Amino acid sequence: GESVGLHLPTLSVQEGDNSIINCAYSNSASDYFIWYKQESGKGPQFIIDIRSNMDKRQGQRVTVLLNKTVKHLSLQIAATQPGDSAVYFCAERQGAQKLVFGQGTRLTINP
Amino acid sequence: EAGVVQSPRYKIIEKKQPVAFWCNPISGHNTLYWYRQNLGQGPELLIRYENEEAVDDSQLPKDRFSAERLKGVDSTLKIQPAELGDSAVYLCASSLVLSGSNEQFFGPGTRLTVL
Repeated sequence: GESVGLHLPTLSVQEGDNSIINCAYSNSASDYFIWYKQESGKGPQFIIDIRSNMDKRQGQRVTVLLNKTVKHLSLQIAATQPGDSAVYFCAERQGAQKLVFGQGTRLTINP
Repeated sequence: EAGVVQSPRYKIIEKKQPVAFWCNPISGHNTLYWYRQNLGQGPELLIRYENEEAVDDSQLPKDRFSAERLKGVDSTLKIQPAELGDSAVYLCASSLVLSGSNEQFFGPGTRLTVL
């Protein structure tokens, strides 16, 4: 099947800076995308989602951008904090209720 | 509200032994998922239940894996016999499927090590 991938496996930013995590997807028919955060020893936690009829959605300190032309998704985290350190996954809905996850990007926040 | 509960949290077994994982979803959630997450990878769906019916088990290795969700609430995932390659984190998730909603809530997972 088609896969969802991430551009970088690791990302390191200074505390207080903004971070951008990227994701490329290959199924142009996908209509729904989700970002998850996974801390060590825990299951993935929902952060934010976006439907294909939108190109931007904002939450608390997070923004997801969707560019359907190049099949690219990004997660922006504003004013990063130590608690933002985790692995971030994008997921793509393929079919009813089936999510396909990318490999993840490990975000490290430096003090 | 309690989240998704899984047990055990950790399991170490020798190859060829059987193992079982248990999941209690969020109360009222009709859909339950089992995922496998290999080290450094994203979760991969093994099976999805809607109530007590397995509606997607296409990725479940049926020669050694089995699952059940009796009464449409708790679920168990079994491996028999386990192989070295089965070492992974097994995640359970649940959701309340409404129109357009796909938010899945994950449990902490069971980390399986096969020696």
